[in-house]
Amino acid sequence: KAGVTQTPRYLIKTRGQQVTLSCSPISGHRSVSWYQQTPGQGLQFLFEYFSETQRNKGNFPGRFSGRQFSNSRSEMNVSTLELGDSALYLCASSLVGRTYGYTFGSGTRLTVV
Amino acid sequence: AQSVAQPEDQVNVAEGNPLTVKCTYSVSGNPYLFWYVQYPNRGLQFLLKYITGDNLVKGSYGFEAEFNKSQTSFHLKKPSALVSDSALYFCAVRDATDMTTDSWGKLQFGAGTQVVVTP
Repeated sequence: KAGVTQTPRYLIKTRGQQVTLSCSPISGHRSVSWYQQTPGQGLQFLFEYFSETQRNKGNFPGRFSGRQFSNSRSEMNVSTLELGDSALYLCASSLVGRTYGYTFGSGTRLTVV
Repeated sequence: AQSVAQPEDQVNVAEGNPLTVKCTYSVSGNPYLFWYVQYPNRGLQFLLKYITGDNLVKGSYGFEAEFNKSQTSFHLKKPSALVSDSALYFCAVRDATDMTTDSWGKLQFGAGTQVVVTP
């Protein structure tokens, strides 16, 4: 059974640019969540998607956006990149329901220069 | 609101000794509790979870955790640590009865505890 696949694994962008990260969940997992991980802030929740709808959102500026497609694959976009956006971006998929935990991808390491 | 505290930034233990990683939580309703482990440059891997029932939960790689409702704790334990257990450990909580969002609720993670096991 394939795991959660995130692409690309590494990315270097310049301030002001925008970036799109992709996540393919485990087959059968219809919920996808995104987290930002930095050494100073730990794991910060970005958003959660189910049935192509954003169900939950963290405290991030509007530059951070996402979407989910009908096949449950998800993308997140960061516009007008800032140095502080440098982080490991983790995607996690799960079955639907409160008792289920997440299965995480290996993440996309974004470096903004 | 839900929150998780991992009071120790780092835990140092000698190989073969017992390992404990502490976690306390706060939720309005009943908690669903999870432990994850992260190795360098990788995503988080699921270790175990407590949903209901027996307070002692057994998980992957010989880890177990004990749910203590009165102390609102969910400490992770391993009887005999290995060097390969050196990693970053995260505790997470979800409020089982949170109806404030149009979803089953996000997992709230603690800050993480770095475990260092020395030979």
